[in-house]
Amino acid sequence: SQQGEEDPQALSIQEGENATMNCSYKTSINNLQWYRQNSGRGLVHLILIRSNEREKHSGRLRVTLDTSKKSSSLLITASRAADTASYFCATVRNSGYALNFGKGTSLLVTP
Amino acid sequence: SQTIHQWPATLVQPVGSPLSLECTVEGTSNPNLYWYRQAAGRGLQLLFYSVGIGQISSEVPQNLSASRPQDRQFILSSKKLLLSDSGFYLCAWSVGREWYEQYFGPGTRLTVT
Repeated sequence: SQQGEEDPQALSIQEGENATMNCSYKTSINNLQWYRQNSGRGLVHLILIRSNEREKHSGRLRVTLDTSKKSSSLLITASRAADTASYFCATVRNSGYALNFGKGTSLLVTP
Repeated sequence: SQTIHQWPATLVQPVGSPLSLECTVEGTSNPNLYWYRQAAGRGLQLLFYSVGIGQISSEVPQNLSASRPQDRQFILSSKKLLLSDSGFYLCAWSVGREWYEQYFGPGTRLTVT
């Protein structure tokens, strides 16, 4: 079963605006990751946040983690058309070397 | 630097035909290897993973199988394809203690007709 659930399913904004995506999960985690997938391509690892971290930055990306609410958010500031993609959160499963991915948020950034 | 290759990029196969998708990784040794499937508008479903040659863990009991004949080669196979096997197949690798940071190939788009 899938652990993470992203929200919203789809998001449409204009260039220059900020985009916020959320991820909720069900069980305790050691870390949470965000990946990006351009249409018809493989996933690209964006950022990892550990359970003892509350916020992490990477360029225009800002990720927060609230373990008490079992949720994470990904903020993309000053969005560009090139940010158009699907964004997935991923958590580690309890056993084995496997990740659980959500269904993703589809982001459209229009010029 | 590490690179991952998948082929073919696209494939159209009739129902009942066999399947062989190949994934190879360069620039690393003893990687963990993964096969995922992504149906349209859905998330990723883990099919198989391997932590070493000959070690395959199956997540989904379907008509698919995986093999790892060499350290950096991972093959996804089927003897007889079903319509429901259509999808986007992604191979990924990771290494070491931070095995959860996975790096994906470009994918294979499979359409079963």
